[in-house]
Amino acid sequence: DSGVTQTPKHLITATGQRVTLRCSPRSGDLSVYWYQQSLDQGLQFLIQYYNGEERAKGNILERFSAQQFPDLHSELNLSSLELGDSALYFCASSPHRPPYEQYFGPGTRLTVT
Amino acid sequence: SQQGEEDPQALSIQEGENATMNCSYKTSINNLQWYRQNSGRGLVHLILIRSNEREKHSGRLRVTLDTSKKSSSLLITASRAADTASYFCATDAPGRRTGNQFYFGTGTSLTVIP
Repeated sequence: DSGVTQTPKHLITATGQRVTLRCSPRSGDLSVYWYQQSLDQGLQFLIQYYNGEERAKGNILERFSAQQFPDLHSELNLSSLELGDSALYFCASSPHRPPYEQYFGPGTRLTVT
Repeated sequence: SQQGEEDPQALSIQEGENATMNCSYKTSINNLQWYRQNSGRGLVHLILIRSNEREKHSGRLRVTLDTSKKSSSLLITASRAADTASYFCATDAPGRRTGNQFYFGTGTSLTVIP
C-alpha cells in the first residue's frame, strides 16, 4: 500500500459526459502528479501540482483540468469525453525534497462508451 | 516527448534465471528510477540511481547507469514467478526545484515461467 488513494476504482460513462477523479496523496507529500495510461500510448504525464499550485504540464488536453485543494487532495476533471479517453488514470505523490521518488495510487479505470 | 525507452518490449524467462532490461534516454538527467507495475495496478518504486553513480544494488536488483551512452540497465537475479510484471524506467527533467516532471518509457513486460 503506497498511501496514495484514488476514487473511484472504475468509472463507466458515455461520450460527451464529464467526470471527476479524486486523489489523496501520502501524508506529508506536497506534490501530486496525474498520469494517463493507455495501451497504445504508455504512461503519459498530464500535470503536476505542488502545494496547491500548478508546477508542470505535460500532454494534458484542453478538455481536461485539475486542481489541488488546501488539504492537498487533488481532482482531475475530464469533460466532453471521447472514446479515446478510455484509459487508466493514475495519481502519484512525492516528497518535497530530492530525489522526488513517486508513490502511485491504484488508479481509476475509465471506460467511455 | 518521452525520454526513457525500454528494451526489450517483452521478455520471457524461466524461474531462477536472470532478467536484464535496458533503458535509453535522450537528454541529461539528475537521476533515473525504475518502477514495477503488476497488471492493471499502480507503479511501485524499485530503485533510484543518481547521475553521478554507476551502479547500485538493492536485494536481487542491480542497476547500472552509463551517462555517456545515456542508458541504464536493470538486472533481476534469480527471478521468481512473482517478478512477472512490467518494468518502467523514469527520467527527470533537470532544473525544477520543487518536484520533478518524470518521463516514463513504454516498459518491458517480463514473464517468469515457474
